[in-house]
Amino acid sequence: NAGVTQTPKFQVLKTGQSMTLQCAQDMNHNSMYWYRQDPGMGLRLIYYSASEGTTDKGEVPNGYNVSRLNKREFSLRLESAAPSQTSVYFCASRARGTTYEQYFGPGTRLTVT
Amino acid sequence: AQKITQTQPGMFVQEKEAVTLDCTYDTSDPSYGLFWYKQPSSGEMIFLIYQGSYDQQNATEGRYSLNFQKARKSANLVISASQLGDSAMYFCAMREGLRGAGANSKLTFGKGITLSVRP
Repeated sequence: NAGVTQTPKFQVLKTGQSMTLQCAQDMNHNSMYWYRQDPGMGLRLIYYSASEGTTDKGEVPNGYNVSRLNKREFSLRLESAAPSQTSVYFCASRARGTTYEQYFGPGTRLTVT
Repeated sequence: AQKITQTQPGMFVQEKEAVTLDCTYDTSDPSYGLFWYKQPSSGEMIFLIYQGSYDQQNATEGRYSLNFQKARKSANLVISASQLGDSAMYFCAMREGLRGAGANSKLTFGKGITLSVRP
């Protein structure tokens, strides 16, 4: 049982380049999330998908797009990377049930030069 | 106003002692949940414990317990018998609107507290 997987683990981009961060979960969770983590800022929600076929903006959506490809996969795209998007990106999925905890992937460390 | 506030600077504790990590929150929603996550130096986010706003008792999970004081809007994490492996950053998070058609599935995180356990 792999849980939540993310690819790639590390990436360096030049300003203006584009890339897609991939996320997949094998826990049959309905909801999936993308966060970014910056020093001293905690985790901030970029986009989320409450269920297959729906996506919504979070706290910091500018400069990003998402696709909920199917129930398992939720990708995050940077169309034109900027240095301000240098961050660690986490994907998460949420269990059903009373506790509602989110399970996180290992993260992608992205540097934009 | 910040929804989750974690103001302690880096915390230090001696191995085998207990430590309390503070978290205060702000919400007008009567239905919410509070979470604590651990992030070791390896970077992954590990779920530790959950407290629902309607739960009558404080949550406990092994060496972790949550000191939930609803009137004060605080949800402090207590780690008993600290171990060297507890050295990490700890995040408090909140989910509002647990019930109803407008149920909000988003988590709001605090900025985290760094805990160092001394041998």
